[in-house]
Amino acid sequence: ELKVEQNPLFLSMQEGKNYTIYCNYSTTSDRLYWYRQDPGKSLESLFVLLSNGAVKQEGRLMASLDTKARLSTLHITAAVHDLSATYFCAVVLYGGATNKLIFGTGTLLAVQP
Amino acid sequence: EAGVTQSPTHLIKTRGQQATLRCSPISGHTSVYWYQQALGLGLQFLLWYDEGEERNRGNFPPRFSGRQFPNYSSELNVNALELEDSALYLCASSSLTPYEQYFGPGTRLTVT
Repeated sequence: ELKVEQNPLFLSMQEGKNYTIYCNYSTTSDRLYWYRQDPGKSLESLFVLLSNGAVKQEGRLMASLDTKARLSTLHITAAVHDLSATYFCAVVLYGGATNKLIFGTGTLLAVQP
Repeated sequence: EAGVTQSPTHLIKTRGQQATLRCSPISGHTSVYWYQQALGLGLQFLLWYDEGEERNRGNFPPRFSGRQFPNYSSELNVNALELEDSALYLCASSSLTPYEQYFGPGTRLTVT
């Protein structure tokens, strides 16, 4: 069964600092998603990574995918308070007609002024 | 383009009752997914419907059921509600290619 693990689970960082969130998964998949969730709200799609070596950037966030290592990273550059949220990675588990998306545990990011 | 919509926003039920949650996918999407997000827990996959058929099911008891209508909207039914069913229920839709899921605003179910 596919397991998706994120670390850290909780990250408190100061504004202006850099940090990386890691997403490891246990079986082969070539499709990974990053989502953001604000408290009490739904999930917002951030990045879709579709191949080994894929790198995408949006503002202060950059995501990358290494399918050989089964690892994705979400790098935060010069954090600002507005980035405070929970970040989820999700990996597609292929099963023919039964594909499903498996979510990581989530990383709660708190950016302190 | 309208996003995924869900209703109601909040739902309060008592233990033993039934709850019905509704979801309308993005136009052109044929797949609808349901997830449960209980407080302090991650997103747990519940059900996947595509073209009116149940395609996959998560590790939930049979009292969680649903259906998809010809217009691809979907309904999630939870029978014999238990306190631990209190959670945010999220619906997502996708086309089969490229499989990216778009989430609705969620229904907050509270069981007292």
